[in-house]
Amino acid sequence: AQSVTQPDIHITVSEGASLELRCNYSYGATPYLFWYVQSPGQGLQLLLKYFSGDTLVQGIKGFEAEFKRSQSSFNLRKPSVHWSDAAEYFCAVGAQGGSEKLVFGKGTKLTVNP
Amino acid sequence: DTAVSQTPKYLVTQMGNDKSIKCEQNLGHDTMYWYKQDSKKFLKIMFSYNNKELIINETVPNRFSPKSPDKAHLNLHINSLELGDSAVYFCASSQTQNNEQFFGPGTRLTVL
Repeated sequence: AQSVTQPDIHITVSEGASLELRCNYSYGATPYLFWYVQSPGQGLQLLLKYFSGDTLVQGIKGFEAEFKRSQSSFNLRKPSVHWSDAAEYFCAVGAQGGSEKLVFGKGTKLTVNP
Repeated sequence: DTAVSQTPKYLVTQMGNDKSIKCEQNLGHDTMYWYKQDSKKFLKIMFSYNNKELIINETVPNRFSPKSPDKAHLNLHINSLELGDSAVYFCASSQTQNNEQFFGPGTRLTVL
């Protein structure tokens, strides 16, 4: 069974600073990997996904993530954070083949200081 | 155009009551899901339906019963509500063979 670890519960950065949110997964085969963002009181919005191919994937809102098989990681990055990026970020892993559940990490709360 | 919609958005009810949450998707997907998000923001799958057939049923009390009248709808009925059922419930959908899931806005259930 797959599992996801997000080691950082809460991260605080200053506006304009760079950001990296960590995600480690456990899965026996090549996984499907996702990053979702949840703003307060809102649903989850997909930021980006990795299925196969190029290990550096670009997403919406200027986010990118890199799949590193050797480290079982899929870290999310943004070069310059905006105040509107303050939210909860979830990494998720799914099994190839579809119709399978997503297993989510416990989330990282991002606070952005002015 | 709302892709995945849920009703109601908020639900406040007394212990012991029975309630339903409805979900509809207009994306043409054939797989739908229910997730529960607890007070610590932890998201956990509850059920998954593919073409109206139950394919995932995690360890969920029998008081929770999903129903899928067609591919575009997945409802969740909860009997004899308990305090611990208070949470945000999210519906999601995806295309078979593609795990990219689209989430609804959530239903915040509060049991008093």
